[in-house]
Amino acid sequence: ETGVTQSPTHLIKTRGQQVTLRCSSQSGHNTVSWYQQALGQGPQFIFQYYREEENGRGNFPPRFSGLQFPNYSSELNVNALELDDSALYLCASSSELLRADTGELFFGEGSRLTVL
Amino acid sequence: AQKVTQAQTEISVVEKEDVTLDCVYETRDTTYYLFWYKQPPSGELVFLIRRNSFDEQNEISGRYSWNFQKSTSSFNFTITASQVVDSAVYFCALINFNKFYFGSGTKLNVKP
Repeated sequence: ETGVTQSPTHLIKTRGQQVTLRCSSQSGHNTVSWYQQALGQGPQFIFQYYREEENGRGNFPPRFSGLQFPNYSSELNVNALELDDSALYLCASSSELLRADTGELFFGEGSRLTVL
Repeated sequence: AQKVTQAQTEISVVEKEDVTLDCVYETRDTTYYLFWYKQPPSGELVFLIRRNSFDEQNEISGRYSWNFQKSTSSFNFTITASQVVDSAVYFCALINFNKFYFGSGTKLNVKP
């Protein structure tokens, strides 16, 4: 158990819809990052939030957006869903003292999104 | 550009055999961090090890050992005396200035 929880665990959407995925980070962690993992592939970095500000982004279009709240929980929003958005979405948290680029990331079990 | 290559898609071994998972990375930066993660069927990525680019010392932790060689840009992972519980997908990752790059993973099957 890493203390990072994600919801929902599974969901099905249709093309063109919007989706919101949620992540509660481990207690004491104020850095959250999101990843997309397509079937049989490694996780692809979407973006990272540190103290409610985005401070790193991968090669994903603007329809992938996020938020981090004062309690450091986070949301990933995807608009205008496409079939290729079907994947496992992973959230990871880390503590301020051990920044994500130097320390350990604690991952949730992910939200599996299927787009029909 | 940053890139991590895990050429071995899937490896099958019999319990108690030793197995090495290869990882080759590309980066132009002098400061970076390398990680190995294990992903069991549950989906959660489990941290195994972190190594920074200035520390080439090899590390052993129980049955696990890691060989980091900057000259060949490799960070290989060896499991000694493998066990069925080691069956999982293993990912090597490069982290540099808040951006994270994972390899495509190696699926390890350990048969009894």
